[in-house]
Amino acid sequence: DAKTTQPNSMESNEEEPVHLPCNHSTISGTDYIHWYRQLPSQGPEYVIHGLTSNVNNRMASLAIAEDRKSSTLILHRATLRDAAVYYCIAETSGSRLTFGEGTQLTVNP
Amino acid sequence: NAGVTQTPKFRVLKTGQSMTLLCAQDMNHEYMYWYRQDPGMGLRLIHYSVGEGTTAKGEVPDGYNVSRLKKQNFLLGLESAAPSQTSVYFCASRPGQGPYNEQFFGPGTRLTVL
Repeated sequence: DAKTTQPNSMESNEEEPVHLPCNHSTISGTDYIHWYRQLPSQGPEYVIHGLTSNVNNRMASLAIAEDRKSSTLILHRATLRDAAVYYCIAETSGSRLTFGEGTQLTVNP
Repeated sequence: NAGVTQTPKFRVLKTGQSMTLLCAQDMNHEYMYWYRQDPGMGLRLIHYSVGEGTTAKGEVPDGYNVSRLKKQNFLLGLESAAPSQTSVYFCASRPGQGPYNEQFFGPGTRLTVL
């Protein structure tokens, strides 16, 4: 999988939008961009994925740069339950995901 | 659907003991995975399977063996446990090939090796 770079940690206030960045400058044209999150003491859960176009679902939005070298996960209104480690993955193989260190998101009340 | 379940939830072993972790999924998924997560770190892939009867090595396979005799089950074995294998183990499954498919994770097994 292409290498991704994320900030170690970010903070947000409750009910404010959160923009979590991810750089993947070596991504290939067929790599999908996945986001997973891991709540404390739980297994990771899927958040969203995309290839070229921006994507929205009930949990979040994914904005992908035109050159695909970076992407941003957007939580529109952060809640305390969104405090988690967020992983950005650029998948090459089609059969396995490589998890990095992720971004620890803290949400302040 | 129960999704992905893992047995046991917790286990304490002594160095040199053996054990098997069981992962089961009821979603008819082709792909299954075993990860380990050490404190403060991301997940590292141990072994994975792309179908019944197949297995493949991941990033950190040494000291572990796996079997996928039935499509719904993926077993992870430790033949001779070492303190370095103290970790939280997560199992996951995925519908099949295709980088657009999401992985579904189990709740984890916390293993301590003394």
